[in-house]
Amino acid sequence: KAGVTQTPRYLIKTRGQQVTLSCSPISGHRSVSWYQQTPGQGLQFLFEYFSETQRNKGNFPGRFSGRQFSNSRSEMNVSTLELGDSALYLCASSSKSGDTQYFGPGTRLTVL
Amino acid sequence: AQSVTQLGSHVSVSEGALVLLRCNYSSSVPPYLFWYVQYPNQGLQLLLKYTTGATLVKGINGFEAEFKKSETSFHLTKPSAHMSDAAEYFCAVSDRSNYQLIWGAGTKLIIKP
Repeated sequence: KAGVTQTPRYLIKTRGQQVTLSCSPISGHRSVSWYQQTPGQGLQFLFEYFSETQRNKGNFPGRFSGRQFSNSRSEMNVSTLELGDSALYLCASSSKSGDTQYFGPGTRLTVL
Repeated sequence: AQSVTQLGSHVSVSEGALVLLRCNYSSSVPPYLFWYVQYPNQGLQLLLKYTTGATLVKGINGFEAEFKKSETSFHLTKPSAHMSDAAEYFCAVSDRSNYQLIWGAGTKLIIKP
């Protein structure tokens, strides 16, 4: 089975721009979770989607949003980028909520 | 709220020596427990997990962890370190009600030749 894929792997944006990151889960997995990883804050949960519905949400501002499509692929969007949004964004999929999460390689976002 | 504490942001061991990475959680109800490993510029890979049953859990690459309820601990061990074990290791717990993963800060494992 192919693993979790994330595109793009690297992204450079400037402050004020917006960005969309994509995640394709393992085939058959319906739950997708997003995390932000930074040296200072570590791994922080952004949100989880299951069957196109947001099931859980972390403590991030409304500039961070996501969605899931009927094929379970997910996108997350960050609007009005700030320097502090520079991070590795990780996507993880599982067959259902609470099941083991499998991670993609991440998207490294740099905001200049 | 649940929290996870990993003792030591960096742990250095010699090749062939015992690896011990510590993880303590705060919960009165035993949660699900996980160890993940992250190699540079990669995502996280599951090493092992505890849900129920046997408290000694064996994982990939020769790692194992023991769930000790009385100590609220889930320490990760490997009898003999290998250079390829150099990576960052994360402990995580999952609340049995909402399944959200709460992460430790991570421990960088350094292997000395």
